[in-house]
Amino acid sequence: DQQVKQNSPSLSVQEGRISILNCDYTNSMFDYFLWYKKYPAEGPTFLISISSIKDKNEDGRFTVFLNKSAKHLSLHIVPSQPGDSAVYFCAASAQTGGFKTIFGAGTRLFVKA
Amino acid sequence: GAGVSQSPSNKVTEKGKDVELRCDPISGHTALYWYRQRLGQGLEFLIYFQGNSAPDKSGLPSDRFSAERTGESVSTLTIQRTQQEDSAVYLCASSYSGQGGRKLFFGSGTQLSVL
Repeated sequence: DQQVKQNSPSLSVQEGRISILNCDYTNSMFDYFLWYKKYPAEGPTFLISISSIKDKNEDGRFTVFLNKSAKHLSLHIVPSQPGDSAVYFCAASAQTGGFKTIFGAGTRLFVKA
Repeated sequence: GAGVSQSPSNKVTEKGKDVELRCDPISGHTALYWYRQRLGQGLEFLIYFQGNSAPDKSGLPSDRFSAERTGESVSTLTIQRTQQEDSAVYLCASSYSGQGGRKLFFGSGTQLSVL
């Protein structure tokens, strides 16, 4: 049972344009959501997060939107840069679940110069 | 060290052998996770240690997999009688516990290849 789903394995965008990565979840008890970025041969690194009490969090070029009724979140990167090319993982955790973090399958982003 | 350290970085073994993978978490982090990433796949949860609580072993794929943690420090993931499908990158992550531990810090992983 995949509780966190990233249905797009890959996404290609032009440099300077917006990248939108999507994530859906099934567990309504999740109360905290995170995005991680992963380069080859490295571990994932934290990018941005959002609590379930908010619907938007922004950090520079990165914005995460949360739609709780739809159990959907998205990561917007604008403007996209070639250095953003990486695999992006959506993750979620629940206080009721002991804060255990569950990850999606990831989306590989290609930003073309 | 400043970050999560995993060793070895690469391990090649023969089918049927046992392997041990090590993780040194960030000092002060009471929560520790093991994940597995098979080629082209996402991060698969394996096991979660949270302080002195009993570990959550719900993600271990079979009884050939086990993990231990010494107090709030080093953890070892052991795979017995390795199979080719065990080939993957094994990632360790640590964090603080509770509300302050939502953000995980990952090591660089151990690339395991079973021939």
